[in-house]
Amino acid sequence: EVQLVESGGGLVQPGGSLRLSCAASGFSFSSYDIHWVRQATGKGLEWVSAISTAGDTHYPDSVKGRFTISRENAKNSLYLQMNSLRAGDTAVYYCARSIAPRTNAFDIWGQGTMVTVSS
Amino acid sequence: EIVLTQSPATLSLSPGERVTLSCRASQSVSSYLAWYQQKPGQAPRLLIYDASNRATGIPARFSGSGSGTDFTLTISSLEPEDFALYYCQQRSNWPLTFGGGTKVEIK
Repeated sequence: EVQLVESGGGLVQPGGSLRLSCAASGFSFSSYDIHWVRQATGKGLEWVSAISTAGDTHYPDSVKGRFTISRENAKNSLYLQMNSLRAGDTAVYYCARSIAPRTNAFDIWGQGTMVTVSS
Repeated sequence: EIVLTQSPATLSLSPGERVTLSCRASQSVSSYLAWYQQKPGQAPRLLIYDASNRATGIPARFSGSGSGTDFTLTISSLEPEDFALYYCQQRSNWPLTFGGGTKVEIK
């Protein structure tokens, strides 16, 4: 079965750090671009970061300089290092797979992991 | 940043009705637009990519059209399981962006 499973969410204080992980199975992980997308409770979807098969990365301005996406193909794993966290980063974080090379529509999603930034 | 505006925010409909959802981009995204369905407590599900291509396993009652700045998702005949939130997303430019969503609710 093709799947993505996130972990690492939790409660963190403002200014703190957290590292999310996403474990892939059932497909050739190294052949796909992978993304993080978040959703605050009751709100819409917000794209957070992307990493290509070649290791190229992209971020929106809202997280640039604070978040770092990385991948470890040998472990079929994706990571999101989140630093200088703010209350506005509170959300469910999903990892998602691009449907095809350089086709950034997301055909496989994880179940999400909740990140709460609060004192 | 490309802003995607979805309309209407909410649609109240009955099973069997035809649904048309709109997504308008602040600048051309060519045909690089996707549609997702999301139900409460679940991750989004890809319905349509590149404006008109149905994703694997998506029923034929779902169809997408448009190019440039104006796009439409059509559900030809609403099934009970189609009552959900729908989002559009563009992949033309970084940063990738989503629309604010349209809720399709039971009338």
